[in-house]
Amino acid sequence: QKEVEQNSGPLSVPEGAIASLNCTYSDRGSQSFFWYRQYSGKSPELIMFIYSNGDKEDGRFTAQLNKASQYVSLLIRDSQPSDSATYLCARGANFGNEKLTFGTGTRLTIIP
Amino acid sequence: EAQVTQNPRYLITVTGKKLTVTCSQNMNHEYMSWYRQDPGLGLRQIYYSMNVEVTDKGDVPEGYKVSRKEKRNFPLILESPSPNQTSLYFCASKPATSGNTIYFGEGSWLTVV
Repeated sequence: QKEVEQNSGPLSVPEGAIASLNCTYSDRGSQSFFWYRQYSGKSPELIMFIYSNGDKEDGRFTAQLNKASQYVSLLIRDSQPSDSATYLCARGANFGNEKLTFGTGTRLTIIP
Repeated sequence: EAQVTQNPRYLITVTGKKLTVTCSQNMNHEYMSWYRQDPGLGLRQIYYSMNVEVTDKGDVPEGYKVSRKEKRNFPLILESPSPNQTSLYFCASKPATSGNTIYFGEGSWLTVV
């Protein structure tokens, strides 16, 4: 079982709709989670991080964490064509290294 | 401007010819790391450094070396590159304080033929 798993997609969503991206993880002791957006050939850029169970909102983005079920999700409201990218879910290290363990990413396409 | 700078950005090289990918950050960050990104495998950590003269292996260190003689620089060395090291490489840095975001460089596309 991969440490962080994501559906690779592609996920197609009409412009203006809600895009829902999901991620599951295997290490029950994981404490911190990150969502990165990556445009083709570019470096990942952080969208949100979440440490606590529940929802965290930032503008059009909402991250959700459910530690009991070991999943993390990212909702993008009012999707725009500029949101078309690959979204990477990552788990932070519990101690020491500061390593991020990434999923393989979900490719999202917003259809105008 | 805060940034992580990698060089070269694009390189085609031949098997066995030693090469170095440089990484420099101007944010006085203690932590630096190298990742490689491959289709279907995502980003995987190669090596990391918690501070000057402190380095350790990540998940995929085979075939790579690093050094951290100065705080700002963290070069990635491929002593004898092989085709399976063809990949997109990212350097990253962050301050020691937990909870801060990791800053990624722009990436280095490396092709070994």
